[in-house]
Amino acid sequence: AQKVTQAQTEISVVEKEDVTLDCVYETRDTTYYLFWYKQPPSGELVFLIRRNSFDEQNEISGRYSWNFQKSTSSFNFTITASQVVDSAVYFCALSEAGSGNTGKLIFGQGTTLQVKP
Amino acid sequence: DTAVSQTPKYLVTQMGNDKSIKCEQNLGHDTMYWYKQDSKKFLKIMFSYNNKELIINETVPNRFSPKSPDKAHLNLHINSLELGDSAVYFCASSQRQDRGLAGYTFGSGTRLTVV
Repeated sequence: AQKVTQAQTEISVVEKEDVTLDCVYETRDTTYYLFWYKQPPSGELVFLIRRNSFDEQNEISGRYSWNFQKSTSSFNFTITASQVVDSAVYFCALSEAGSGNTGKLIFGQGTTLQVKP
Repeated sequence: DTAVSQTPKYLVTQMGNDKSIKCEQNLGHDTMYWYKQDSKKFLKIMFSYNNKELIINETVPNRFSPKSPDKAHLNLHINSLELGDSAVYFCASSQRQDRGLAGYTFGSGTRLTVV
């Protein structure tokens, strides 16, 4: 069964702190895609990153970095030197490429990040 | 140019009414989706169409009926609205073969409030 778990419901940090958002997934497929989305207070879903299951390279984009580890089925997201504008709900999501290939995205429950000035 | 556009952005209606939400994408994608985000922010797939064919129907009450007149449009019609239908509904699209590369594009959401 496919499942995405974001165990942290809410995180509160002070500006300039580093923060890591955890994501653990379950899938039987060998080919799958992982995503992170940001949902700011305005409500839209902002795409941050996708990663396919064959690419375990970590990625850095400015203050954002992602650590993909197949051995622990985790795809964690770290924000370095957090800013107030990072305050949002962050979603991790999984899409399987295998049987059926319906392409549906399975979302985690979301982590609400509050960055205080 | 908006890639995935939903209308209306806000919808307030009374219980028992019938309403529709429209979605259009200009990306040339072959697959479109409807997701529901409940009051706890949980996002769940409702329907998906690939080239006008229904491929996902996830235990949604039959008061909800998706319609895809062509692969660029996926509308959601809801009959006999109930209080529990209040949520944000997101439309999305993707290209089946490129899903891992191109990912998904979401609309800005429709906030439905049933009073």
